[in-house]
Amino acid sequence: GAGVSQSPSNKVTEKGKDVELRCDPISGHTALYWYRQSLGQGLEFLIYFQGNSAPDKSGLPSDRFSAERTGGSVSTLTIQRTQQEDSAVYLCASSEDGFLLYEQYFGPGTRLTVT
Amino acid sequence: AQKITQTQPGMFVQEKEAVTLDCTYDTSDPSYGLFWYKQPSSGEMIFLIYQGSYDQQNATEGRYSLNFQKARKSANLVISASQLGDSAMYFCAMRELTGNQFYFGTGTSLTVIP
Repeated sequence: GAGVSQSPSNKVTEKGKDVELRCDPISGHTALYWYRQSLGQGLEFLIYFQGNSAPDKSGLPSDRFSAERTGGSVSTLTIQRTQQEDSAVYLCASSEDGFLLYEQYFGPGTRLTVT
Repeated sequence: AQKITQTQPGMFVQEKEAVTLDCTYDTSDPSYGLFWYKQPSSGEMIFLIYQGSYDQQNATEGRYSLNFQKARKSANLVISASQLGDSAMYFCAMRELTGNQFYFGTGTSLTVIP
């Protein structure tokens, strides 16, 4: 079946512009995560959605970052007034639910470059 | 304190040999899960193996096994009979039952030498 998809795969934007990154999780997966991975680094948690519950936004680095998930499926991560330090690969992952036993399935990522 | 610590930034192993990638974790939650992921140069994150905190036996998946030492809070990944295709970054991760986050380590870069 189809895996997690993300678009665009690459995005180059000018400092100060807004960007939207999209994630399509695996059908039926209720949990969705966004991460940021800077060059040569591990994954930094950004936000978590579980079903219809309020999202866990504790990892968002600033109020320029926001995310929504429509209809419990597709999610959009928005970065306003982008800065050069926002340059990274943004990874989305989904899992069957939020419990421990279920691993996350990752998308291919969106490489964001802020010039 | 770091939730997940991977102290080996880079490792080399001869093809067909076994290699152990270290991971220690920090949690006060009695219920948690430990995960290992592989990230090849292409960038995708591939799930390898899972260990639950209450599992009595070490997890195994093919050539991958997890050496789980609960008292020492370590969850080392053992790859047996290394193959050239095993060259990649390897990340250890943990999720606590009480939280939503997956905590990831900084990764270990494994290079398999022919």
